[in-house]
Amino acid sequence: DADVTQTPRNRITKTGKRIMLECSQTKGHDRMYWYRQDPGLGLRLIYYSFDVKDINKGEISDGYSVSRQAQAKFSLSLESAIPNQTALYFCATSDSGGGNGYTFGSGTRLTVV
Amino acid sequence: QQQVKQSPQSLIVQKGGISIINCAYENTAFDYFPWYQQFPGKGPALLIAIRPDVSEKKEGRFTISFNKSAKQFSLHIMDSQPGDSATYFCAASIALQANNLFFGTGTRLTVIP
Repeated sequence: DADVTQTPRNRITKTGKRIMLECSQTKGHDRMYWYRQDPGLGLRLIYYSFDVKDINKGEISDGYSVSRQAQAKFSLSLESAIPNQTALYFCATSDSGGGNGYTFGSGTRLTVV
Repeated sequence: QQQVKQSPQSLIVQKGGISIINCAYENTAFDYFPWYQQFPGKGPALLIAIRPDVSEKKEGRFTISFNKSAKQFSLHIMDSQPGDSATYFCAASIALQANNLFFGTGTRLTVIP
């Protein structure tokens, strides 16, 4: 099994729909992150969580919400999807020091039509 | 505002050649500079990282060169191979905080056999 598993891998949804992207990890890490990847823009942080009771906004949190259900689970929700949220979404984890790098999932490709 | 500027956007190199990707930053508080490698359909994976107390770090065919005064760092891939074809991202963070990795916009490397 992958260290960081994201579901679904691909999703097409309609404008205005609520959608949840899920992430689970087996690394035992406390820290989890949601990033968005767009061509020419790199990866941008949406939300991050340092433990179950800690949720923080990243640089592009508007239109998104998250839930940290357990140490191993971190989900991202789009309350009312819009076409400019079409992107590749990545979940990542890191240990408390962060200096050993982030472990990323394989991504969810989301298309909002 | 892009915290880390990366160039070139794309790069084509002959097998056996040297691939060079450059990054620049402004925030002098950054003290951790990783490079990530991403293959199609996969999440980014940590390739190599450097801290500003050294000017160079080498791991196999991959070398990071770091110029603290110029606030620039670069990735050199020696003896480039077709299997190195991927997208490469530089990043920077304040290691102790490690709550956000600021990524460059990515370089798509193609190594021609």
